[in-house]
Amino acid sequence: GIQVEQSPPDLILQEGANSTLRCNFSDSVNNLQWFHQNPWGQLINLFYIPSGTKQNGRLSATTVATERYSLLYISSSQTTDSGVYFCAVAGNTPLVFGKGTRLSVIA
Amino acid sequence: GAGVSQSPSNKVTEKGKDVELRCDPISGHTALYWYRQSLGQGLEFLIYFQGNSAPDKSGLPSDRFSAERTGGSVSTLTIQRTQQEDSAVYLCASSPTGWGNTIYFGEGSWLTVV
Repeated sequence: GIQVEQSPPDLILQEGANSTLRCNFSDSVNNLQWFHQNPWGQLINLFYIPSGTKQNGRLSATTVATERYSLLYISSSQTTDSGVYFCAVAGNTPLVFGKGTRLSVIA
Repeated sequence: GAGVSQSPSNKVTEKGKDVELRCDPISGHTALYWYRQSLGQGLEFLIYFQGNSAPDKSGLPSDRFSAERTGGSVSTLTIQRTQQEDSAVYLCASSPTGWGNTIYFGEGSWLTVV
């Protein structure tokens, strides 16, 4: 099945800093989503982005499907950005989740 | 409803007992999914329902796990003879159609088997 690798596994940022999270996947996909899991466990959908680039406020994402990776950019990080960021992919199969990047933003 | 609704939010049960977890998807969504997340881990796929098609049960870890979806809406995940390793958060999600769509998660049911 599809393999999903996320990096880095852990990241600590000073408030206001920028960061890039990466998701590599092993096969062609028709679904790629980024999620944020907050400290209370709620999974929030950030982007549905099987290809191309999208932006939403301080967050943006780019997926290069031909090279099988996606990037999530967080600019001007805030303490509320803390949590775990998951990348999940599918190709007419169940969504497969990576192990996540645990982000801690400190004031 | 406005979002995916799950109940109970928390459940503590004794080893060997059966439990039922309920999921009410977003109105109009034909696809429904169950995932499991153990402490500090990623999400593990359990089962997928799409309209009237036969469910994809390929992720169910053992025959103690089963799920049904009545009337194409509400779903119930049943775990029989619970074991301590079943302790996890059980997450339900729905989407307008199948895997090629954005999926939306509920807040989960936290199950603890003691």
